[in-house]
Amino acid sequence: ETGVTQSPTHLIKTRGQQVTLRCSSQSGHNTVSWYQQALGQGPQFIFQYYREEENGRGNFPPRFSGLQFPNYSSELNVNALELDDSALYLCASSAFRGANTDTQYFGPGTRLTVL
Amino acid sequence: QKEVEQDPGPLSVPEGAIVSLNCTYSNSAFQYFMWYRQYSRKGPELLMYTYSSGNKEDGRFTAQVDKSSKYISLFIRDSQPSDSATYLCAMTGNTPLVFGKGTRLSVIA
Repeated sequence: ETGVTQSPTHLIKTRGQQVTLRCSSQSGHNTVSWYQQALGQGPQFIFQYYREEENGRGNFPPRFSGLQFPNYSSELNVNALELDDSALYLCASSAFRGANTDTQYFGPGTRLTVL
Repeated sequence: QKEVEQDPGPLSVPEGAIVSLNCTYSNSAFQYFMWYRQYSRKGPELLMYTYSSGNKEDGRFTAQVDKSSKYISLFIRDSQPSDSATYLCAMTGNTPLVFGKGTRLSVIA
């Protein structure tokens, strides 16, 4: 069984640029959630995708957007990057059966640095 | 007041010590409680998942939930250097997971 994978591992961008982060969910999982973890903080929920539709969103501006593909992999896009977007971006997959209480399995994260 | 409060530490203990990690919360809608372990530059790994008030044991780890006090704990017995990591509490009430800030633990050999 393959776990959650994310790419790239590290990324350096400059203010105003756009970035796309990728996530492959664990085998058998149809739900992907994205989190932002700033240094010294816990992960903060960005949004969740279930069967290619957004299924909940946290307190993040519209320049954070996402996609889920038919194979349940997912992308997180961030436009007009700001310095405060520097963080570890985590993807988590779950076998969503209609409840957010399903166990979420996290990938290793993508560390984004915005200069 | 934040929904979930967790003392960020850092906490440093000798090998073999009993470690107690705690979180308090304010949202009564939270009914499901988790503890994740996160090694440096890695993603969080689920350690414990509890629902009921009371204790749940798994090896050297015990999770305790007191819903009346809105207080959860994780105890680690016979701590090992390999337990050195950041421990995150998380909770949900059929809402997106809400995490604490994490407590950084160092177990010194």
